[in-house]
Amino acid sequence: DAGVIQSPRHEVTEMGQEVTLRCKPISGHNSLFWYRQTMMRGLELLIYFNNNVPIDDSGMPEDRFSAKMPNASFSTLKIQPSEPRDSAVYFCASSRRTSRIGELFFGEGSRLTVL
Amino acid sequence: AQKITQTQPGMFVQEKEAVTLDCTYDTSDQSYGLFWYKQPSSGEMIFLIYQGSYDEQNATEGRYSLNFQKARKSANLVISASQLGDSAMYFCAMREPNTGNQFYFGTGTSLTVIP
Repeated sequence: DAGVIQSPRHEVTEMGQEVTLRCKPISGHNSLFWYRQTMMRGLELLIYFNNNVPIDDSGMPEDRFSAKMPNASFSTLKIQPSEPRDSAVYFCASSRRTSRIGELFFGEGSRLTVL
Repeated sequence: AQKITQTQPGMFVQEKEAVTLDCTYDTSDQSYGLFWYKQPSSGEMIFLIYQGSYDEQNATEGRYSLNFQKARKSANLVISASQLGDSAMYFCAMREPNTGNQFYFGTGTSLTVIP
């Protein structure tokens, strides 16, 4: 079975540009999470969705960040305009909320570098 | 208050020895799940082991076991017979299924296995 698929794997952009990260969760999973990982701050939850509905976006740094989940098989995380401090690895993860264990399955991450 | 606390930023262990990675958690829910993830230098997040709050037995998965002490709210990971490939970051996490399926991660412990 396909795992969580993220794209792009690597993105290098210049300050001020718009960045869009994409995620396809595992089929049948009904929770989707976006995390950001940096050396300084570790693994931070940005936002998560249950059944395509945003539940908690309190981790979104500021208005420059937005996330959508238009359907059960696709989500985007957008940064506009990007800044050098946004450089990080962005992970998407999904889980089946109703399963007994409900472990998170992570994508391979999108490494973003903002120059 | 932190939901998940990992107090060991870095640990060293001799190859073939056992090592314990500490994790304490904070929740007022009766139903919750505890997880350990491994992140090798390649960056992917790998699910290792799960313990449910109602599980009476400590979870085991091969060389991994979870020392679950509910009254102390601790969920330490024990790795037996350490191998060089165990060198990685290890994250403890908690899921609260009754509060929107939120996942909380600790700051991680970097484990180095010495030959």
